[in-house]
Amino acid sequence: QKEVEQNSGPLSVPEGAIASLNCTYSDRVSQSFFWYRQYSGKSPELIMSIYSNGDKEDGRFTAQLNKASQYVSLLIRDSQPSDSATYLCAVSLGGTSYGKLTFGQGTILTVHP
Amino acid sequence: NAGVMQNPRHLVRRRGQEARLRCSPVKGHSHVYWYRQLPEEGLKFMVYLQKENIIDESGMPKERFSAEFPKEGPSILRIQQVVRGDSAAYFCASSPSGPGQGLFFGPGTRLTVL
Repeated sequence: QKEVEQNSGPLSVPEGAIASLNCTYSDRVSQSFFWYRQYSGKSPELIMSIYSNGDKEDGRFTAQLNKASQYVSLLIRDSQPSDSATYLCAVSLGGTSYGKLTFGQGTILTVHP
Repeated sequence: NAGVMQNPRHLVRRRGQEARLRCSPVKGHSHVYWYRQLPEEGLKFMVYLQKENIIDESGMPKERFSAEFPKEGPSILRIQQVVRGDSAAYFCASSPSGPGQGLFFGPGTRLTVL
């Protein structure tokens, strides 16, 4: 079983729709959860971090965490063509290991006009 | 994060040569992380360093790879006797001391081994 699994893509949504990206993780003691966006040929860009169960909103992005189900998701509202990228879910144990991230394989999102 | 600098941005080496990748962290950051992204694979942790110390190298291949973060100067990831399978994007990230709000990556070095 992969440590961090993301819903297989690619995911295609029309402009203005909600894009839903999902991620599950296997290590129950994980403490810190991140979503990164990566454009082709570029480095990963941190867009959301979440540490507690529940929802966290930042502009058009909402991260949701459910530690009991070992599940974290990212919702992108009012999707724009500029949101087209690969989205990476990352998990860490936190504490002194907070920077040692385990990444999922990524989900390719395409937002079409 | 524009604050993390990596050079070179692109590096071409022939099999058997050495590759040296440099990472200058954000000023004042004392923690450096190296990650590798192989084609068709995800981003993988390689090594975590603090000034003059290797804290966690559990993701480093056992042979040919080494990393350092000296008291002065950039962090260096060194790959000896490169092979085609080393072709990848190598990313560095830095953070200040203590837990932060996630890692911010540099622009990366794209290594191509001919």
